[in-house]
Amino acid sequence: DQQVKQNSPSLSVQEGRISILNCDYTNSMFDYFLWYKKYPAEGPTFLISISSIKDKNEDGRFTVFLNKSAKHLSLHIVPSQPGDSAVYFCAASYGNKLVFGAGTILRVKS
Amino acid sequence: DAGVTQSPTHLIKTRGQHVTLRCSPISGHKSVSWYQQVLGQGPQFIFQYYEKEERGRGNFPDRFSARQFPNYSSELNVNALLLGDSALYLCASSSTALNTEAFFGQGTRLTVV
Repeated sequence: DQQVKQNSPSLSVQEGRISILNCDYTNSMFDYFLWYKKYPAEGPTFLISISSIKDKNEDGRFTVFLNKSAKHLSLHIVPSQPGDSAVYFCAASYGNKLVFGAGTILRVKS
Repeated sequence: DAGVTQSPTHLIKTRGQHVTLRCSPISGHKSVSWYQQVLGQGPQFIFQYYEKEERGRGNFPDRFSARQFPNYSSELNVNALLLGDSALYLCASSSTALNTEAFFGQGTRLTVV
């Protein structure tokens, strides 16, 4: 039962352009959503989070949008940089645990 | 300021053996969670400990156990290892029992042969 889905396995973007990473969820009890970036051989790095009572949160180049009615969230990275190339995981918080999507590989081309 | 540290970074074990993985959370953080990540999937929740008490357990067999010490560091133990236990084991640290911000260590890569 995949409660958090990242339907795009990969995304390729030109340097300087916007990267949009998407995530869908099924459980309306999730109260917080988080995005992580992961490089090979490293642990996930926390990027940004959003409470379920908000619809937008911004931190520098990263903005997360939440659409509760559609059970959809997205991460926008503007402008994209080659160093942003990594696997991005969407995670949803429910009680004591985080439920992760399978990840999206982002490649930023210079 | 040190982040979340895990040891060892890599480990090779034989089927049937047991393994202990260790995690030190960020200073001041009282919550430690353990996750298993297999290739091509997102991390899967195993346990959460907060203030030395188990607060949550994922869908893993009883071969998996954990504990948290008075200094908030934690151990994950896996008995009777199976080939399918080969994975990256991640530890996450947060200041509260809620996962509004959880910071991960670099993980322990366990290979069972």
